[in-house]
Amino acid sequence: QVQLQESGPGLVEPSGTLSLTCAVFGGSVSSHNWWSWVRQSPGKGLEWLGEIHPSGNINLHPSLKSRLTFSLDKSRNEFSLRLKSVIAADTAVYYCARDIRSCNGGVCSETFDVWGQGTMVSVSS
Amino acid sequence: QSALTQPASVSGSPGQSITISCTAASSVGESYTLVSWYQQHTGKAPKLIIYEGTKRPSGLSDRFSGSTSANTASLTISGLQAEDEADYFCCSFVTRSAFNVAFGGGTRLTVL
Repeated sequence: QVQLQESGPGLVEPSGTLSLTCAVFGGSVSSHNWWSWVRQSPGKGLEWLGEIHPSGNINLHPSLKSRLTFSLDKSRNEFSLRLKSVIAADTAVYYCARDIRSCNGGVCSETFDVWGQGTMVSVSS
Repeated sequence: QSALTQPASVSGSPGQSITISCTAASSVGESYTLVSWYQQHTGKAPKLIIYEGTKRPSGLSDRFSGSTSANTASLTISGLQAEDEADYFCCSFVTRSAFNVAFGGGTRLTVL
């Protein structure tokens, strides 16, 4: 059974860089799935940030694309997120998730079947 | 315009059935027929309860069911229990957009 575990600092100063890692247990990050990051600001809904595939393909949310970097380390069986120039609005619980996508003729299903427990990141001086 | 629109809240009494709607914008295309649904209790990570529009993960109660019709996906919970009180989110691939994935704004279910 695949399990995910986020790690990273809980506090980042404004204009700094937020770096998080998601370790994959009980499975391989090299499997043919997308790996996503989702965040949730306090009292708000879920916001998809982007996804990375072991093939090297990456899709990022357009509003964050200029500040976001995703990477995947097959040797360490983990994937990571870097968000630069953070502001208070980036304060949120950040989740990593396994993302299963299946497409048939342009119609696609999107299923986040495994989630990490989430890590709270506050942007503050 | 949001890609997926949900009501902010619904409520029901124990034993009753409730339905949460998820209305898809045109940018979602036909992928709305394959939405996934997530249950989130306060302070916890989301949990998958419906995928590909109507399917339940192994071991999940059959009190949860999904359906789709005319650009709207729906989640029905029958035989409401106190433990069902949570936030529920729909999610879909977005066919015609700069981003691939959208979540609905979430619906808070209150069990009276």
